[in-house]
Amino acid sequence: GAGVSQSPSNKVTEKGKDVELRCDPISGHTALYWYRQSLGQGLEFLIYFQGNSAPDKSGLPSDRFSAERTGGSVSTLTIQRTQQEDSAVYLCASSSGLASYNEQFFGPGTRLTVL
Amino acid sequence: AQSVAQPEDQVNVAEGNPLTVKCTYSVSGNPYLFWYVQYPNRGLQFLLKYITGDNLVKGSYGFEAEFNKSQTSFHLKKPSALVSDSALYFCAVRDWAGSARQLTFGSGTQLTVLP
Repeated sequence: GAGVSQSPSNKVTEKGKDVELRCDPISGHTALYWYRQSLGQGLEFLIYFQGNSAPDKSGLPSDRFSAERTGGSVSTLTIQRTQQEDSAVYLCASSSGLASYNEQFFGPGTRLTVL
Repeated sequence: AQSVAQPEDQVNVAEGNPLTVKCTYSVSGNPYLFWYVQYPNRGLQFLLKYITGDNLVKGSYGFEAEFNKSQTSFHLKKPSALVSDSALYFCAVRDWAGSARQLTFGSGTQLTVLP
């Protein structure tokens, strides 16, 4: 079956520009997560959506970062006025149900490079 | 709060030898523990998880992990390593009693299996 997909796979932008990253979760998965993976580091949690509940935004590093999830499916992560330190791989994951022991399924990521 | 430590950035092992990738965790309550593997330019793939019950968990590709509550460890093991096991391995934890729904990941261990 189809896994989590993300687009674009690579994005190069200039400092100060806005970017939008897209995530299509596995059909039927109610939970959706965004993480950031910087070179040589682990994964940093950004934001979590569960169904129609208010998202957990506690991991967003600044107010330049925002995300939305339309219709409980596709999600878009937006970074405004990009900075060089935003360069990283942005990973999306989804999982089924409410149980916190359900494994997350990851997409291939979007590699963002800010020049 | 929940945290994970992977004390080794790099592990090298000869093909056919047993391998161990170490992970220790810290949670307030009881943990859900996960191992993921990441191949170059790919997203993370789920290997195995510990929820409760038997301390030895078996997962994909012949990997297993042993939960040790007294040592707060969840080391990943494989009896006989393959060159194709070479990848980046991440341990992750979620405190089942905590409010955080996201996983907290370790910094990753690069496993290299030498032919």
